[in-house]
Amino acid sequence: AQTVTQSQPEMSVQEAETVTLSCTYDTSENNYYLFWYKQPPSRQMILVIRQEAYKQQNATENRFSVNFQKAAKSFSLKISDSQLGDTAMYFCAFDGSGAGSYQLTFGKGTKLSVIP
Amino acid sequence: GAVVSQHPSRVICKSGTSVKIECRSLDFQATTMFWYRQFPKKSLMLMATSNEGSKATYEQGVEKDKFLINHASLTLSTLTVTSAHPEDSSFYICSAREDSTDTQYFGPGTRLTVL
Repeated sequence: AQTVTQSQPEMSVQEAETVTLSCTYDTSENNYYLFWYKQPPSRQMILVIRQEAYKQQNATENRFSVNFQKAAKSFSLKISDSQLGDTAMYFCAFDGSGAGSYQLTFGKGTKLSVIP
Repeated sequence: GAVVSQHPSRVICKSGTSVKIECRSLDFQATTMFWYRQFPKKSLMLMATSNEGSKATYEQGVEKDKFLINHASLTLSTLTVTSAHPEDSSFYICSAREDSTDTQYFGPGTRLTVL
């Protein structure tokens, strides 16, 4: 079974600064997807970024980028130029579609606070 | 972007009644949809996986006769909480897996309160 670990329950960052959220996972599969979702106080889960395991290039979406280290099974999220609207819970998630299971395995989340 | 709607956003009902929650993928097809429950300050807990045209697969500990799931089309799944009790009060979230990108997109959630 896959596991996803987010070792930082809470983090804070000054507005306009950069912050990195960590995520590690455990799997025996070779093909899979990794995601970061954010859940602001509205509780709507929003897709932040998506990474396909067979792609070596790290995914980027505007101010959000990942550092995907497949051998180390690490998938960290970097948020640049942090904004107040980035305040949210961030969940790392694993999708082992390669094994025919479409379920997401979530980490416990990191609560990020952006300080003005 | 891919949008998933969920209705109603909030519902209050009396103990013993049934409540239906709808989940729709508005601009994409989703063969597979999922239903989650989320407790305060916790991660999402998967309740069941719903596949279009077939019976849902329930996670261990989830009563299939209490939480009825129907996935009649590629854009609609429904969750019916039957004979609701106060302990069923929770935040329920659906997601739809976009077939072309293998990505789950989430609905805005439904806050259920059973009196």
